[in-house]
Amino acid sequence: DQQVKQNSPSLSVQEGRISILNCDYTNSMFDYFLWYKKYPAEGPTFLISISSIKDKNEDGRFTVFLNKSAKHLSLHIVPSQPGDSAVYFCVAITSGTYKYIFGTGTRLKVLA
Amino acid sequence: KAGVTQTPRYLIKTRGQQVTLSCSPISGHRSVSWYQQTPGQGLQFLFEYFSETQRNKGNFPGRFSGRQFSNSRSEMNVSTLELGDSALYLCASSMTGAANEKLFFGSGTQLSVL
Repeated sequence: DQQVKQNSPSLSVQEGRISILNCDYTNSMFDYFLWYKKYPAEGPTFLISISSIKDKNEDGRFTVFLNKSAKHLSLHIVPSQPGDSAVYFCVAITSGTYKYIFGTGTRLKVLA
Repeated sequence: KAGVTQTPRYLIKTRGQQVTLSCSPISGHRSVSWYQQTPGQGLQFLFEYFSETQRNKGNFPGRFSGRQFSNSRSEMNVSTLELGDSALYLCASSMTGAANEKLFFGSGTQLSVL
């Protein structure tokens, strides 16, 4: 029962262009969503988050959009840089459960 | 401030054995959670501890267990190892485990079961 789905296992983008990573979820009780980035041989690191009461959150080159009616969120990276090449995980949680649900990840490759 | 420390970094065990993995959270963090990462499966939640109490657990068999000590350090144990337990085991810490807190991850323990 995959409650958080990242249907694109990989994505390649040219340096300087926009990267759009997508995520769908099924559990309407999720009220907080996060994106984590993971490099090989390292643990995931926090990138950006959004509460379910918002539909957009921006932090520098990273913007997360939330469409609650569609149960869909996306991460936009503009402009993409080669250092952004990593695996990106979409994560969801219901407050009070202390249980983070991770998607299967999307491997982003930014081509120089 | 030191990050989340996981030991050992690598482990090789044989089927039927048991294993204990250790996680030291960031100083001041009282919530520790554990995840299993296998190829194609993303990170699967194992359990979360706060003040020595397990507050939630994932859908794993009883062979997977954990505990947390009074200094917030945590251990997880896997008994009667199976080949399918081969994975990267990650732990993460945060102040209280609240949804709006960042999780800080260790580099993981890579377990290979032969």
